[in-house]
Amino acid sequence: AQSVTQLDSQVPVFEEAPVELRCNYSSSVSVYLFWYVQYPNQGLQLLLKYLSGSTLVKGINGFEAEFNKSQTSFHLRKPSVHISDTAEYFCAQISGAGSYQLTFGKGTKLSVIP
Amino acid sequence: DTGVSQNPRHKITKRGQNVTFRCDPISEHNRLYWYRQTLGQGPEFLTYFQNEAQLEKSRLLSDRFSAERPKGSFSTLEIQRTEQGDSAMYLCASSVWTGQHSPLHFGNGTRLTVT
Repeated sequence: AQSVTQLDSQVPVFEEAPVELRCNYSSSVSVYLFWYVQYPNQGLQLLLKYLSGSTLVKGINGFEAEFNKSQTSFHLRKPSVHISDTAEYFCAQISGAGSYQLTFGKGTKLSVIP
Repeated sequence: DTGVSQNPRHKITKRGQNVTFRCDPISEHNRLYWYRQTLGQGPEFLTYFQNEAQLEKSRLLSDRFSAERPKGSFSTLEIQRTEQGDSAMYLCASSVWTGQHSPLHFGNGTRLTVT
């Protein structure tokens, strides 16, 4: 069974500092990886996705992630965070070309401190 | 793109009552998914439709749960004889399948509280 592990449940960081949110996925022949953000009482919004190609993926709001097959990781980074980045972030994967089921990690709460 | 719409946003019900939620996906999306999210957890897959066909149901979806997508447009999720353990955020998502993966677009969810 697939599992997505988000290594930190909470990450506090000062405004304008860099941040990395860690994610490890289950190895598979075909892997498709996603990061979603969830603001309070809202649904999930896609930040970025890795389907194939370049291992460095750029997303919205200045976020980027790097696909590392040897370490089965897909860490999310931002060089300088804003107060508005305070939210919960979910890493997710789909395994298999014909699969439909998105498996999520438990989430990481990012708190940006002024 | 008007986004995925879910109604109601909040539902409070007494244990044993039936509830029904509605999801309107993005119009051109042929796949529709239901997920459940409890406090402190990521969303968990419940079921999905391709057009009007319900192609997969998770073991999380007990017999008290039923989902429909008549005519491949909106979908409803009904929970019969609700239990306190059903309290959660129910998320609907849609996507378009064109032979390769496209991201899921989520609605804002329906928060169910069973008292």
